[in-house]
Amino acid sequence: QKEVEQNSGPLSVPEGAIASLNCTYSDRGSQSFFWYRQYSGKSPELIMSIYSNGDKEDGRFTAQLNKASQYVSLLIRDSQPSDSATYLCAAKTSYDKVIFGPGTSLSVIP
Amino acid sequence: GAVVSQHPSRVICKSGTSVKIECRSLDFQATTMFWYRQFPKKSLMLMATSNEGSKATYEQGVEKDKFLINHASLTLSTLTVTSAHPEDSSFYICSARDNKGIGNQPQHFGDGTRLSIL
Repeated sequence: QKEVEQNSGPLSVPEGAIASLNCTYSDRGSQSFFWYRQYSGKSPELIMSIYSNGDKEDGRFTAQLNKASQYVSLLIRDSQPSDSATYLCAAKTSYDKVIFGPGTSLSVIP
Repeated sequence: GAVVSQHPSRVICKSGTSVKIECRSLDFQATTMFWYRQFPKKSLMLMATSNEGSKATYEQGVEKDKFLINHASLTLSTLTVTSAHPEDSSFYICSARDNKGIGNQPQHFGDGTRLSIL
């Protein structure tokens, strides 16, 4: 079982819609979770970090964490074409390593 | 926000050459830095954890004699790909975590180095 799993996509949404990205992790001892955005040919940039169960909002982005279900999600409201990228979910495991999921490719259609 | 500088951004060289990549944290100190490798359309694969003042910790399957890591100061780690061959061609990315604050600080990434071995 992979440690951090994501649907590879591509996920296509129309401009203005909500994009929902999901992630599950296997290490129940993981405490910190991160969402990164990566444009083609570029390195990842941090969008959100979340440590506690529940929702965390930052502008158009909302991260959701459910530790009991070992599930993390990222919602992007009012999606824009510039949001088209690969979104990487990452978890800091109980052995202090940050493991990345395979990424979900998002395409926002104008 | 935190800035990590990685240099060079692109390298093209002949097979057998050794290539050094630098990773610097510009506005924070980082006891620990990380080196990743990414193949096209694949996720980041952790190669090694670079520890200031001590030996790097390599992930399973990563040759430590092939990928030399030096972390001589709290703001600089280097990765040297020794005697590079075409199969070493990849996108190499470093990241660093600020020493300050809680232990859950996120990692900040450099811009990456695209290495092409002819």
